[in-house]
Amino acid sequence: DAGVTQSPTHLIKTRGQHVTLRCSPISGHKSVSWYQQVLGQGPQFIFQYYEKEERGRGNFPDRFSARQFPNYSSELNVNALLLGDSALYLCASSLGRGQGFEKLFFGSGTQLSVL
Amino acid sequence: AQSVAQPEDQVNVAEGNPLTVKCTYSVSGNPYLFWYVQYPNRGLQFLLKYITGDNLVKGSYGFEAEFNKSQTSFHLKKPSALVSDSALYFCAVRDGAGGYQKVTFGTGTKLQVIP
Repeated sequence: DAGVTQSPTHLIKTRGQHVTLRCSPISGHKSVSWYQQVLGQGPQFIFQYYEKEERGRGNFPDRFSARQFPNYSSELNVNALLLGDSALYLCASSLGRGQGFEKLFFGSGTQLSVL
Repeated sequence: AQSVAQPEDQVNVAEGNPLTVKCTYSVSGNPYLFWYVQYPNRGLQFLLKYITGDNLVKGSYGFEAEFNKSQTSFHLKKPSALVSDSALYFCAVRDGAGGYQKVTFGTGTKLQVIP
């Protein structure tokens, strides 16, 4: 079975641009979460979606937005990119309702570099 | 608010020796606790979790963790380290209250197993 897939794997953008990152969860998983991992730090929670509805949001500015599609895939959008947005963006899926005690299955991430 | 601390940036251990990676947490309710491992240029992989029940939790690849409520700790252990265990280890916590999946990760501990 395929794991969590993310695209693209690498991306280079310039300040002020917009970026869209994509994630396909494991088949049967209905919950998708997004995390930002800056070099040398642990992942930071950005969003969680379950059944196409936003269920949680971390401390990120409104430039960050996301959505989940009927097939449970998800997009993370970042507007007006800043140098500080350079990071590894991780998508994670889980099987159930996302109550918080489930294990997360992570993709390999999208490495975003903002120049 | 929930938080987790990993006091050691790096742990070095000789192959065959026991290893311990430390983690302490803070939550307002009952904690859900996790350990994840990250290999270079990869996403995170689930090792084990504590939700309730026995304080000693067994996980993947021979790892186990001990939950200590009085010391608010959840240290990761393995009786005999392998060179292949060398990786970045993250402790994570989720407050049991609430209905969504915001998981807070520590800053990570780099484990180096020396042949």
